[in-house]
Amino acid sequence: DAGITQSPRHKVTETGTPVTLRCHQTENHRYMYWYRQDPGHGLRLIHYSYGVKDTDKGEVSDGYSVSRSKTEDFLLTLESATSSQTSVYFCAIRPTGSSTDTQYFGPGTRLTVL
Amino acid sequence: GQNIDQPTEMTATEGAIVQINCTYQTSGFNGLFWYQQHAGEAPTFLSYNVLDGLEEKGRFSSFLSRSKGYSYLLLKELQMKDSASYLCAVRASNDYKLSFGAGTTVTVRA
Repeated sequence: DAGITQSPRHKVTETGTPVTLRCHQTENHRYMYWYRQDPGHGLRLIHYSYGVKDTDKGEVSDGYSVSRSKTEDFLLTLESATSSQTSVYFCAIRPTGSSTDTQYFGPGTRLTVL
Repeated sequence: GQNIDQPTEMTATEGAIVQINCTYQTSGFNGLFWYQQHAGEAPTFLSYNVLDGLEEKGRFSSFLSRSKGYSYLLLKELQMKDSASYLCAVRASNDYKLSFGAGTTVTVRA
């Protein structure tokens, strides 16, 4: 257990509404990641963070923004949700001092945009 | 971009052996990971290879050939609980990002 929680676990929303997903970790890891997972595409990186207020884009960042104002929380925001953003969203951490750079995943958030 | 290929589906019988192949073409290489993901759950870490050769962990082994851009995950003495998706991921650069293949769904039959 890497001490990662995600909230909410399930959400249904309507097109055009803003949505914020939260990833919370309890072990002060520096690196945190947001992925989406869709059938046939596997896990795709949306954004990642390498410290408080330090973030960068992944391969599918359009339509998403992130914020990290404190070490333990990494927020993913969909400013105006679209049906193409219906997906399962996973947060991950890379333990500080890891010799293998292994990432560990939170339980996921299933988001449906109608 | 990074290109990571693995078969979509495989089926095997309980007690048998299954080998899941992964080929990659990436801009660099700093390690290859295998994850297991049961339906509706999060991926969990299985193995890591950064040097050529075989890494064994109980019933699971992972092999890497960097010159061929190739890895496989070997699952021995298959059990019903091994029915899951298996994800191959490559760390291509020094910025601690992983690129994932689409995953291989393994179904174990009695």
